[in-house]
Amino acid sequence: NAGVTQTPKFRILKIGQSMTLQCAQDMNHNYMYWYRQDPGMGLKLIYYSVGAGITDKGEVPNGYNVSRSTTEDFPLRLELAAPSQTSVYFCASSYSGYEKLFFGSGTQLSVL
Amino acid sequence: KQEVTQIPAALSVPEGENLVLNCSFTDSAIYNLQWFRQDPGKGLTSLLLIQSSQREQTSGRLNASLDKSSGRSTLYIAASQPGDSATYLCAAPNSGGYQKVTFGTGTKLQVIP
Repeated sequence: NAGVTQTPKFRILKIGQSMTLQCAQDMNHNYMYWYRQDPGMGLKLIYYSVGAGITDKGEVPNGYNVSRSTTEDFPLRLELAAPSQTSVYFCASSYSGYEKLFFGSGTQLSVL
Repeated sequence: KQEVTQIPAALSVPEGENLVLNCSFTDSAIYNLQWFRQDPGKGLTSLLLIQSSQREQTSGRLNASLDKSSGRSTLYIAASQPGDSATYLCAAPNSGGYQKVTFGTGTKLQVIP
């Protein structure tokens, strides 16, 4: 049982480039989330999904896009990367939205 | 809007000491509260989830309490060990459901052998 799997673990982008952060879970969880973690700032919610085909914005959605075509996968797309998007990105999931959150190991992204 | 505060930001204790980590939240209309552990360069691991109907939740040497009326939760670690060194975060739900939670900035714990 792999839990929540994120790829890649590290990535360096140039300003203006685009990329997709992958997230997959094998626990049949309905709810999935993307957070970013900046030093001393805590985790901020970017986007979340309550099921396949349903997504909504979190606290800091600008510059990002998501899709949820299957229960298992919830990719995060960065368009026109900016230095402000340098951060550690975490994907998380839970079954009902009222239960424990399970996190992936994170993607460390630098935009230079 | 939910605000979550964790004080102190960092704590250093000798091995074997019992310790308490604090978490306060502003919106007491919560249905649960979670405590997480984060090791350097790793993701978050859920330690304990306390439902609003509970006052305490225990797992091994960890005990978490919840007092909604005062907007506080504590994580008690008994007989601390060097392996407990990590950052501990609490998270409380925002109003509106869907488990959109607000995280505290964490307490970085160092247990000295």
